[in-house]
Amino acid sequence: DVKVTQSSRYLVKRTGEKVFLECVQDMDHENMFWYRQDPGLGLRLIYFSYDVKMKEKGDIPEGYSVSREKKERFSLILESASTNQTSMYLCASSSPGQGDTGELFFGEGSRLTVL
Amino acid sequence: DAKTTQPPSMDCAEGRAANLPCNHSTISGNEYVYWYRQIHSQGPQYIIHGLKNNETNEMASLIITEDRKSSTLILPHATLRDTAVYYCIVRVGAGGGADGLTFGKGTHLIIQP
Repeated sequence: DVKVTQSSRYLVKRTGEKVFLECVQDMDHENMFWYRQDPGLGLRLIYFSYDVKMKEKGDIPEGYSVSREKKERFSLILESASTNQTSMYLCASSSPGQGDTGELFFGEGSRLTVL
Repeated sequence: DAKTTQPPSMDCAEGRAANLPCNHSTISGNEYVYWYRQIHSQGPQYIIHGLKNNETNEMASLIITEDRKSSTLILPHATLRDTAVYYCIVRVGAGGGADGLTFGKGTHLIIQP
């Protein structure tokens, strides 16, 4: 089974702290994604990556950066956390190419609280 | 990606078929219809997708109208574990794209015992 693992289910950080959210997938997928999910707003795409060291902005990249040094790992970085970044963060991966269904495989999510 | 419209919530009795509608009147010829669901406190899970033909798998059936402007996801025998938010999404191509899916607010399906 495809597994997308997010390093922490729950985190509590203080305003101004640098926060790293880690995501690892074990299916050799080229594409990886970071979403955030907030009540009433649904899932919103922050950043995605289609290859090592490549990244593309999603719909709401402000206040975030990402790192993809290895194919299996995609990190979301909050350089200086703010209270409005309190949210559920979801990582996903997929594999392009012929025969691909376009299915995204999601992790369990990381619930971040910024105080 | 084209926008979709779904009812915010629906109820269904356990053991009955749950029929979840989705309108996607501006869908383009090369856009597929995808359905995902999200059970509370978990990440979204893929259910099924299709282009124009009806599709069925072990989880559900997808019925797409001939003009492709709407679709219905059918859970044939709903159980309490099917209580979740169901998302209908349209996207270009069935694969090969690196862009993420655009999730709307979905339908909160509640299965009543």
